Amino acid sequence: SQQGEEDPQALSIQEGENATMNCSYKTSINNLQWYRQNSGRGLVHLILIRSNEREKHSGRLRVTLDTSKKSSSLLITASRAADTASYFCATENKAAGNKLTFGGGTRVLVKP
Amino acid sequence: GAVVSQHPSWVICKSGTSVKIECRSLDFQATTMFWYRQFPKQSLMLMATSNEGSKATYEQGVEKDKFLINHASLTLSTLTVTSAHPEDSSFYICSASKPGFLGYTFGSGTRLTVV
Repeated sequence: SQQGEEDPQALSIQEGENATMNCSYKTSINNLQWYRQNSGRGLVHLILIRSNEREKHSGRLRVTLDTSKKSSSLLITASRAADTASYFCATENKAAGNKLTFGGGTRVLVKP
Repeated sequence: GAVVSQHPSWVICKSGTSVKIECRSLDFQATTMFWYRQFPKQSLMLMATSNEGSKATYEQGVEKDKFLINHASLTLSTLTVTSAHPEDSSFYICSASKPGFLGYTFGSGTRLTVV
């Protein structure tokens, strides 16, 4: 079963704008990860934030984690047409055997 | 880096036949690999955890006799869809974690179409 819910399910923006998507989860976690998937392809790991971290940056990506609210956000700044993809959050709970539990995903369309 | 190769990338088979999908870790050894299934415009659903040298662990609701998993070496896991039916048509993806690397590396996926 999917633990996470992502919001919004779809997002359409103009190139240069920022894209923000949110993820909520239900159980305790060791870390939360964000992945990107281009249509019909495998997933690419973007960033991992540990449960004791609150914010993390990687290039144009900014991830926040609020364990009290069991939520995370992914911000893509200065978006490009090449950022068009589906973005998934995934939680990892080592007590559950290191399995990743994915959210429903956000489909992002960046219009040139 | 950490590279996972999945083959084939797509396959069309007749109903009732079996299809084997391979997942290889190219530059690291993976004692554990994961198999997911993804329907169009939906998220990934974990099917099973493949353990090298032992039986796979299947998620609730996944038929182990239909989705046979073999992890005979530290770099290869295979998923065989037996007696495939049209409802098995889906996108199947494997993943593994390289020690020392953050996150998981995914294969490029296999699009299975059963006609």
